[in-house]
Amino acid sequence: AQSVSQHNHHVILSEAASLELGCNYSYGGTVNLFWYVQYPGQHLQLLLKYFSGDPLVKGIKGFEAEFIKSKFSFNLRKPSVQWSDTAEYFCAVRRRGTALIFGKGTTLSVSS
Amino acid sequence: EAGVAQSPRYKIIEKRQSVAFWCNPISGHATLYWYQQILGQGPKLLIQFQNNGVVDDSQLPKDRFSAERLKGVDSTLKIQPAKLEDSAVYLCASSLGERKSGETQYFGPGTRLLVL
Repeated sequence: AQSVSQHNHHVILSEAASLELGCNYSYGGTVNLFWYVQYPGQHLQLLLKYFSGDPLVKGIKGFEAEFIKSKFSFNLRKPSVQWSDTAEYFCAVRRRGTALIFGKGTTLSVSS
Repeated sequence: EAGVAQSPRYKIIEKRQSVAFWCNPISGHATLYWYQQILGQGPKLLIQFQNNGVVDDSQLPKDRFSAERLKGVDSTLKIQPAKLEDSAVYLCASSLGERKSGETQYFGPGTRLLVL
């Protein structure tokens, strides 16, 4: 079955620490990859996405993600987190003609 | 630009009762999605519409769930009768069209359903 795995359920960091959230998927072939974020009390919103081309994509608020095809991974990174980055982060994958599949999410808590 | 609107925001019902959720997508968006998000899980697609036609309803429990988008704009998702395991957040999302797999989906605030 198609799946998306997010390795960390809950990550706790101090402000200014670096962040990396793992995401792996189980499909072969061409995929589109997404990271969504849900801040407390807010809607799910797109953080960044990968279609094709440069495997390092940059998103909003200083986030970036790297697509490594050989590892079926799309890890999210930020060099220095802020308290306002406290949120739930979802990785999602889609192949042409199929539904968007979400991982279970990672809760990030940043202490000031 | 107005976002995806959903109502109600919260609903509490008893098992075996029926419930309906409403979604109004972003103006001009042809594709509309309903997702179910159970606590501790990521959203799972229930049904996808392209205008007023169903594109994918493979994960919709059709014995109790139904959805329609009659005029190709707003949509209603219904559960009848509800079960305890239907307790979840029901998210509506929309996107411009279905021509690109990488198209961005915009999500509404969700309806939080509790079945007692």
